[in-house]
Amino acid sequence: DAGVIQSPRHEVTEMGQEVTLRCKPISGHNSLFWYRQTMMRGLELLIYFNNNVPIDDSGMPEDRFSAKMPNASFSTLKIQPSEPRDSAVYFCASSLLLAGGIEQFFGPGTRLTVL
Amino acid sequence: TQLLEQSPQFLSIQEGENLTVYCNSSSVFSSLQWYRQEPGEGPVLLVTVVTGGEVKKLKRLTFQFGDARKDSSLHITAAQPGDTGLYLCAGAPNAGKSTFGDGTTLTVKP
Repeated sequence: DAGVIQSPRHEVTEMGQEVTLRCKPISGHNSLFWYRQTMMRGLELLIYFNNNVPIDDSGMPEDRFSAKMPNASFSTLKIQPSEPRDSAVYFCASSLLLAGGIEQFFGPGTRLTVL
Repeated sequence: TQLLEQSPQFLSIQEGENLTVYCNSSSVFSSLQWYRQEPGEGPVLLVTVVTGGEVKKLKRLTFQFGDARKDSSLHITAAQPGDTGLYLCAGAPNAGKSTFGDGTTLTVKP
């Protein structure tokens, strides 16, 4: 079975450019999470969706960041305009939300470098 | 303020040694998850503990959930270089939103 698929795996762009990260969750999972990981701040939850609806976007750094989930099998995280401080590894994870706990399955991540 | 505090932050040991890492909080969790992350990859779920006092074993790894469901520990027996990685604990004190600790970076030297 395919796990969570993310693309691209690596992205190098210049400050001011638009960046779009893509995620395909595991089929049948009803929750999707976007995280950012840096050495300084660890793994930060940016936003999560349940049944394609954004539930909590309080972790989104600022208006330059936006996320969409048009259907159960696809989500995007967009940064416009990008800045050097956005450089990080961005992970997408999916889960089947069960009472009492959440077990998340992570994709391989997208390593973003903004010059 | 970090909801889940992990310790130690870094641990470097020789192959064959035993070790314990900790995940502590002042909040009660309905469950806690442990993940291992290797360089260049995403975190991989190891185990979920649900019941206070629960102990789960995964080969040489032993996971324990505190009686009050506020803390957890991971014990590795006879560590091997393949155990090297970042160990993360995570929990959801509020339904639907998990929080992760900062992790323990483990290095096992051959």
